[in-house]
Amino acid sequence: GEDVEQSLFLSVREGDSSVINCTYTDSSSTYLYWYKQEPGAGLQLLTYIFSNMDMKQDQRLTVLLNKKDKHLSLRIADTQTGDSAIYFCAESREGYQKVTFGTGTKLQVIP
Amino acid sequence: ETGVTQSPTHLIKTRGQQVTLRCSSQSGHNTVSWYQQALGQGPQFIFQYYREEENGRGNFPPRFSGLQFPNYSSELNVNALELDDSALYLCASSLEGALFFGPGTRLTVL
Repeated sequence: GEDVEQSLFLSVREGDSSVINCTYTDSSSTYLYWYKQEPGAGLQLLTYIFSNMDMKQDQRLTVLLNKKDKHLSLRIADTQTGDSAIYFCAESREGYQKVTFGTGTKLQVIP
Repeated sequence: ETGVTQSPTHLIKTRGQQVTLRCSSQSGHNTVSWYQQALGQGPQFIFQYYREEENGRGNFPPRFSGLQFPNYSSELNVNALELDDSALYLCASSLEGALFFGPGTRLTVL
């Protein structure tokens, strides 16, 4: 079955880069997503990558995909206090309705 | 462009009661999904609706049911509420691929 795992917590200093890691088990995953959730809010789609890509960059965000190891990472450059939130990795398969989420990584940015 | 909206924001119910949660899709999106997010967990897929038909269901009992209307808005109904149903209920709409979430409804069952 599908399973997505993430570390629970990451603490970085403002201005440093943050790297949030995720592993997944479903080799049929087609889409891999990163969502951000601030306290008391819904989920905000940050970026997503197709499984036939190995990298995607969008301003301060860089997503790296190692399909062989089923490893996904999100790098946030020049991390700001406004980046403090919970980040969810998620995956889905083409033709399937379900998106499977990890348990989330809480990012704490220290001023 | 209006994003996904949900109502109510918060709700308190007692065990055994029934609840209806509402969602308006993002403009132009014809698919709506519902997710349950327990405290400290990632969202869990409940079901998805496409063109007013259920189009996939997660591991939730039949007392979780839904509707999608011609304007693509949707309802989630939960009967015979249990304490474990306390969670944030998230609605998401999509056109192709990525999900766009609403702010959620926080349901507390006492």
